Amino acid sequence: DSGVTQTPKHLITATGQRVTLRCSPRSGDLSVYWYQQSLDQGLQFLIQYYNGEERAKGNILERFSAQQFPDLHSELNLSSLELGDSALYFCASSASPGTSGDSGTDTQYFGPGTRLTVL
Amino acid sequence: DQQVKQNSPSLSVQEGRISILNCDYTNSMFDYFLWYKKYPAEGPTFLISISSIKDKNEDGRFTVFLNKSAKHLSLHIVPSQPGDSAVYFCAAAPIAGGTSYGKLTFGQGTILTVHP
Repeated sequence: DSGVTQTPKHLITATGQRVTLRCSPRSGDLSVYWYQQSLDQGLQFLIQYYNGEERAKGNILERFSAQQFPDLHSELNLSSLELGDSALYFCASSASPGTSGDSGTDTQYFGPGTRLTVL
Repeated sequence: DQQVKQNSPSLSVQEGRISILNCDYTNSMFDYFLWYKKYPAEGPTFLISISSIKDKNEDGRFTVFLNKSAKHLSLHIVPSQPGDSAVYFCAAAPIAGGTSYGKLTFGQGTILTVHP
């Protein structure tokens, strides 16, 4: 158990709909990262928040948005869903703003993921 | 444009022998490298990491080697155990302080099967 929690575990919805995925980081971690794992793309970085502020952005679609709240939990909002958005969405957390160096505070710990199916 | 590549989709090894998983990268801005292990229906679990200032890091049965000039890293598992059977991802992080600081770029993964 990494200490990172994600809800819901599974989500089935229809094209055109909007969903919200939730992530609670490990206790004390200030950074939250979102990743998408689809069959053909592997694990892709979407976005990072550090202490409530957006820190780094990957290839996140404009239909997707995220935020980190004062209690440090984060939500990923996916709207106008398409069939291709079906994937596993992982959240990770770390204590520090980035991942570099040998400090244990930099390590990203992953949650169990949310499996999104768009029909 | 795949900046981190794991060219072997799968590897099969006998219990007790060495498992060697390989990873190549193309971006010279990568400064820190990690290996994650993933079981089905779970998130990736951090295994071991190495900074670009080192060429080797060891943790129990796991050793990661980094060859910066070849832009290549490998994970050695000795001795391999059936419980090691999982998907292994290598990941790379950029130099600290840049705008992409914190972003991990993952390889496609290698499925390791350790036979009893």
